Order: sequence, then C-alpha cells, then structure tokens
Amino acid sequence: QVHLVESGGGVVQPGRSLRLSCAASGFTFSNYGMHWLRQSPGRGLEWVARIWYDGSNTYYADFGKGRFTISRDNSKNTLYLQMNSLRAEDTAVYYCARDLREVATVTPFDYWGQGTLVTVSS
Amino acid sequence: SYVLTQPPSVSVAPGKTARISCGANNIGSISVHWYQQRPGQAPVLVIYYNDDRPSGIPERFSGSNSGNTATLTISRVEAGDEADYYCQVWDSSSDHYVFGTGTKVTVL
Repeated sequence: QVHLVESGGGVVQPGRSLRLSCAASGFTFSNYGMHWLRQSPGRGLEWVARIWYDGSNTYYADFGKGRFTISRDNSKNTLYLQMNSLRAEDTAVYYCARDLREVATVTPFDYWGQGTLVTVSS
Repeated sequence: SYVLTQPPSVSVAPGKTARISCGANNIGSISVHWYQQRPGQAPVLVIYYNDDRPSGIPERFSGSNSGNTATLTISRVEAGDEADYYCQVWDSSSDHYVFGTGTKVTVL
C-alpha cells in the first residue's frame, strides 16, 4: 500500500530556512516522479516543485525559483524540499505527491501525503 | 497561462446529480484531472485524463471536457460526497501544474 509521510514543518521566522522530508513506502520510489504542493486558505492549492524519477530534472513554480530546492534520495526512499528566504505568504500545508505513472513525463498526482504545516511568522 | 474558473459552491439533494464546471479558454484541447478533498484530509484523485476513473472510485463519478468547459459529474449523490472539488491541468507553455479555484459541494 502506497504511503507518503511528510515531516519537518513548523513555525519559522521570515527570511529563515526549513527543510521538509517525505518518506515513501509501498512502491518502487525510484520509478516515479514526485512533487511538492501546498495549500493555504488565501491561495488555494498550488503546485510547488517537481522532480523526475531519477532526480535528473527539476521544475519549480515561479514563486519558488531561486528559493526552493527539491531533491530526492532513492536509496532512502525520501523526497526533500529545502526552502530558503521564507516569506509570510509561504505559510501553508505542504504535501508531497506521486506521479500517476512510472517514469512519466507529465501525469496527475495519484497519491498524496497528509501534509505538514509550515507557518512563517515573526 | 491557464486560469481555471470553478463555481464556489454547488448544492444538491441526496440521490440527485451534481455537475461541477471548470472553465478556461479552449480547455477542451488539453487533459483535465479532478480531485476530491474532504475536510481535514489530503486531496484524492477521482478523475484523470478527462474521463478516466482510478480504481476504487465509484462509477457515479464521471468527467467530460469540450470547448471551454470541463465538467465533473457526480450521479446519485451521497452524503459522503460532500467535499471540495478541484480541477487541474498541466500548462505546457509554462511547464506548470495549475489548479482551479475549487468548488464546495454541499449535500442538502
């Protein structure tokens, strides 16, 4: 059974950094592209970043370019999101999610974690 | 880039049919996916590539996409269908994934 568990959220001051993790189990992690998404009351659901199954390519939403870095360790079945220079508007629940299909280019997200809350506040 | 417009809310009586629209210019030319999000839970994929249904999703859920509107249809609505529903597309011009504004379905 596919299981995604996020961790690393919390309260952080503006301008500081935070690293989120997503532990995956129940499937061959190294065969799937992975994503980070976020949701806040004011901004709805937003896609944050994407990484290919082998980590060779990454893509970012405009608000994350230059500040966020998505990465993965296939030997540990873990996805990461390094967030730097955090702003109040980055406050949200952050989800990791899996591509529907293996080794795919673009597909929807078929499994999501339960999310981890990031609050950026002084 | 795409801006996906959904009605904020839809109300439906049990046993009736709910239709949720997702509007954008020429959306019929791309694939649309739909997610259900119950309160306090993560989104769940209910329709992908316009009209395909993941295993475990009831046949009561169906999708269509043509022209400027994609539609999620929930037939024989049940109390458990009460949730927020989001449409989603991939914008090839920006290589970004885009979500709709969300529709809250209320079962009367």
